[in-house]
Amino acid sequence: EVQLVESGGGLVQPGGSLRLSCAASGFTFSTYGMSWVRQAPGKGLEWVSDISGSGGGTYYADSVKGRFTISRDNSKNTLYLQMNSLRAEDTAEYYCGKERRDGYTFGRGYMDVWGKGTTVTVSS
Amino acid sequence: DIVMTQSPDSLAVSLGERATINCKSSQSVLYSSNNKNYLAWYQQKPGQPPKMLIYWASTRESGVPDRFSGSWSGTDFTLTISSLQAEDVAVYYCQQHYSIPITFGQGTRLEIK
Repeated sequence: EVQLVESGGGLVQPGGSLRLSCAASGFTFSTYGMSWVRQAPGKGLEWVSDISGSGGGTYYADSVKGRFTISRDNSKNTLYLQMNSLRAEDTAEYYCGKERRDGYTFGRGYMDVWGKGTTVTVSS
Repeated sequence: DIVMTQSPDSLAVSLGERATINCKSSQSVLYSSNNKNYLAWYQQKPGQPPKMLIYWASTRESGVPDRFSGSWSGTDFTLTISSLQAEDVAVYYCQQHYSIPITFGQGTRLEIK
């Protein structure tokens, strides 16, 4: 069974840091791009960041560029999101997602599997 | 950035009736070389993560009931539920994955009338 399990969320003060993890199982992790998507309380979905299967390509939303870093360890089947200089507006549920592209190289993939999420609260 | 605009924001439909949700992209998400619309639909029930329903604008994901269908015309996309069931109460999102930044519509809340 394909499964994604996020961890690492918590309460952090403004300006602080957190590292989220997403443990993957049930598929060949290194062959799929992965994404982070967040959802502020009561709000819609916001794409945060994306990484290619090899880790060689990384992409960010403008709202997090320069503060967040996406990475992956294919030997551990784990995706990460290092979040620095956190702000109140970063408070959200953070989901990781597996991307599927059906062999097409153009564009990014759609997210066919999602984790259950981890909660990040930025507050003093 | 490609802006995705859904309509309506909320919708109430009687059980067994048809529900239609619209999504308009601010520019084409069709890649001519593979003739694919980079448009997906997701369903999110309360307290749950999103679930993919439709990809490439009109291909139903395995296991998704056939009452769900996706269609498109130009930059206008539609998710249709042919006969609403109680378990379909959720918020539905469209997403373009044609270009970075990946963007979602604002969501459409579907309720039972």
